[in-house]
Amino acid sequence: AQKVTQAQTEISVVEKEDVTLDCVYETRDTTYYLFWYKQPPSGELVFLIRRNSFDEQNEISGRYSWNFQKSTSSFNFTITASQVVDSAVYFCALSEAPNSGTYKYIFGTGTRLKVLA
Amino acid sequence: DVKVTQSSRYLVKRTGEKVFLECVQDMDHENMFWYRQDPGLGLRLIYFSYDVKMKEKGDIPEGYSVSREKKERFSLILESASTNQTSMYLCASSSRGFNEKLFFGSGTQLSVL
Repeated sequence: AQKVTQAQTEISVVEKEDVTLDCVYETRDTTYYLFWYKQPPSGELVFLIRRNSFDEQNEISGRYSWNFQKSTSSFNFTITASQVVDSAVYFCALSEAPNSGTYKYIFGTGTRLKVLA
Repeated sequence: DVKVTQSSRYLVKRTGEKVFLECVQDMDHENMFWYRQDPGLGLRLIYFSYDVKMKEKGDIPEGYSVSREKKERFSLILESASTNQTSMYLCASSSRGFNEKLFFGSGTQLSVL
């Protein structure tokens, strides 16, 4: 069955520290997509990144980087030199190729990141 | 700017009332979703729709129904609100395809007293 685990419920760091948010997933499919979303205090989840199961190349976007490892079923997210504006709840999500023409996304429980000035 | 708009940011209702939560998207997306967000439980799928008048139950459909009469609008209905339906409700939409990212509304915080 599909499952996404974000074991870190809440993390607090001081501004400029690096922080890694963990995501572990379970799936029986070989074709799937992984996502990260950010939910700031305003409430609206915002898409950050998408990765397909055949592309294990790590990605960097500014201060954000993502490490995808199929061997450990993990898709971890690192923020370098964190800033107060990074304070938010971050969700990891999994989507599999549909069997019946319909599908859904499975979300983890989220990690609340607090960056202290 | 593309948008998913939820009709209310905060809503207070009484037990037993019929409640309508409305969601409108302006991106011509085929798929629309209703999620419920509770502390420690993350986002749980209530219903989704992949076309007009088409719907599929998610993980927690009990006590809810949905309506999609037009492509841009997806309504969540609480037939008889109960206190355990107090929650944050999030609407999302996406293009067809399981690889597509979701666009979310700002959410409706519903309190049932």
